[in-house]
Amino acid sequence: QSALTQPPSVSGSPGQSVTISCTGTSSDIGRDNRVSWYQQAPGTAPKLIIYGVTNRPSGVPDRFSGSKSGNTASLTISGLQAEDEAVYYCTSCTTSITWVFGGGTKLTVL
Amino acid sequence: QVQLVQSGAEVKEPGASIKVSCKASGYTFTRYYMHWVRQAPGQGLDWMGWINSYSGGTKYAENFQGRVTMTRDTSINTAYLELSSLTSDDTAVYYCATGGPLTAGVTIDYWGPGTLVTVFS
Repeated sequence: QSALTQPPSVSGSPGQSVTISCTGTSSDIGRDNRVSWYQQAPGTAPKLIIYGVTNRPSGVPDRFSGSKSGNTASLTISGLQAEDEAVYYCTSCTTSITWVFGGGTKLTVL
Repeated sequence: QVQLVQSGAEVKEPGASIKVSCKASGYTFTRYYMHWVRQAPGQGLDWMGWINSYSGGTKYAENFQGRVTMTRDTSINTAYLELSSLTSDDTAVYYCATGGPLTAGVTIDYWGPGTLVTVFS
């Protein structure tokens, strides 16, 4: 199973919005709505920020939102803050009931 | 609150095996799968497989077939990852992560702190 495709890096200034894409296939992202996003700060475990394409766990700011179109999912962070600087990963369940991650996107807040 | 406590860091020689443990608390252990994910230094997340905590059934990523074994002990709410025939490429942080107490089984949600495994001679 190939990894999902994410841009290696994105950047934005405080207050701006950025969008991170995650491209897969009809066997994973396009299959159903089991797409999730994680935020990982250096030296820490990943933290779930979006699940089921659009849902936010309790405690995750509503500045984080998710969407999907076809085989591509997206994470949008609006009103960028310095604390959002991290690496973001997408994941999806596949038709084989395995899971696949994207390669990760480093977000830099300028 | 959900907690996953993993065993400590290990250093192994090439060819050896490791067994990492993950003790869960704060939810009904047998209700959700446990996943294992690893992260090599400076690299991304690599899904290794899951174990059905109730039945013990497993599903492994193709990359690890034949070298990985996932088990669990429901009497102590603990999952285990065994990886054999280690090489330097297996140097990584190994995470256990639950398959759903937070999201009703939809996704991989809570993560353990990780166990660093270093392979060198």
